Formats: sequence, C-alpha cells, structure tokens
Amino acid sequence: GENVEQHPSTLSVQEGDSAVIKCTYSDSASNYFPWYKQELGKGPQLIIDIRSNVGEKKDQRIAVTLNKTAKHFSLHITETQPEDSAVYFCAASIYGGSQGNLIFGKGTKLSVKP
Amino acid sequence: DGGITQSPKYLFRKEGQNVTLSCEQNLNHDAMYWYRQDPGQGLRLIYYSQIVNDFQKGDIAEGYSVSREKKESFPLTVTSAQKNPTAFYLCASSPRGSGYTFGSGTRLTVV
Repeated sequence: GENVEQHPSTLSVQEGDSAVIKCTYSDSASNYFPWYKQELGKGPQLIIDIRSNVGEKKDQRIAVTLNKTAKHFSLHITETQPEDSAVYFCAASIYGGSQGNLIFGKGTKLSVKP
Repeated sequence: DGGITQSPKYLFRKEGQNVTLSCEQNLNHDAMYWYRQDPGQGLRLIYYSQIVNDFQKGDIAEGYSVSREKKESFPLTVTSAQKNPTAFYLCASSPRGSGYTFGSGTRLTVV
C-alpha cells in the first residue's frame, strides 16, 4: 500500500523567510496530493492540492511542486507570517479511485518567529 | 452553508463507560472517516465508510465501533474495551477519492 514520508518534523523560521516542507510517496499510481494546515485545537483545513497532470500550483504565498519521477512533492510558503504557525500535513491518494483513502504524512510543526 | 459538524467539542468519560461521538455532514459526500490524534502525533485512521450501510476498519479499530445508517451521519462509539481513549478525534468526509473536509474535532478525556 501507499506510504507517505514527511520531513522535517519541526521547522522554525524567522518572519519573512521562506519555509519548505517535503514529502515522498511510494505508490506510483497516486495522483492526488493535498496539503492541510492544522491550528491548535482545530481540525485540519485544506490549503492547496495538486494532481499529477501538473508540476506546480500557486495560491498567493503558497505553492506546491510535484516530481512524479522522483515521487516527491513539496510545500513552499514565502514571506512567512506568525499566523502561518501550525502543523502541516501532506497526503496522497488515487483521485476518483474506488478506495481513495488519503494516506497522510506524520506532520510538520512550523513555527514562525516574529 | 455546507459543512461537517462534530459534537460535543469536549467529552469526559469514566472508566468502563461507552461514549458516542457525533459526526454530521451536509455536503452530500459519499465517504466519511474517523481519525484519532494524540498530542504531537499524526492522524491515525480508526474506521471509514464509502457508502451507507457499509464501513471498514482502519489501522486502529480495536475498542471502537461505528454505524452508517444515513449518508449524513457517521457516529463513533468508544467502548470500554479501548484502554487508552484520551485523544482528539477528528471526523472527515469526502466525495469518493477526493480531498477531505474535516470537522473541528472532539477532545475526549477519561476521568
């Protein structure tokens, strides 16, 4: 079955710097890769996702890149702000598949220092 | 507005008691999921359901039970057989094979 590895487990940056979180997946059939942000005491919220027919997707300060050959994808946050501090989860699945369960990474705790 | 609602937000259980966590969605999603999250840990899948009247065990189903009698509802019962139930429980729903929408969670504490 699918396995998703996420690194680093913790990341501390200064406000205004960029942050990068990386994930690798094992199942070459996976074609859907969402990223979730979880603030303390709340449920995870989808912040961006990408499908395997594109290599990069941007939404303001957030971008996700996908390398299908190497089976890895990354979240990039530019001009970080204190409100970006949260736990971020990557995930992978087969979009539209009969099972379609997301397989999550173990999360990255991002701290943005003012 | 469409969404997914978990209740209660906080729940306290005495030793040996069964408790039921509610999860309701009005997004018309086929699939629903229950996850457990321990402090500083990732998401562990307890049970999932792809369709009404059918559900499957996840990675840590022991001590838990579910039902899916309606498309909108997927309650989770934490039974007395679950020896360490204190955790944050998250419910999610999705169109089959797509991204999840999560609820705001229920924090369960054994007293």
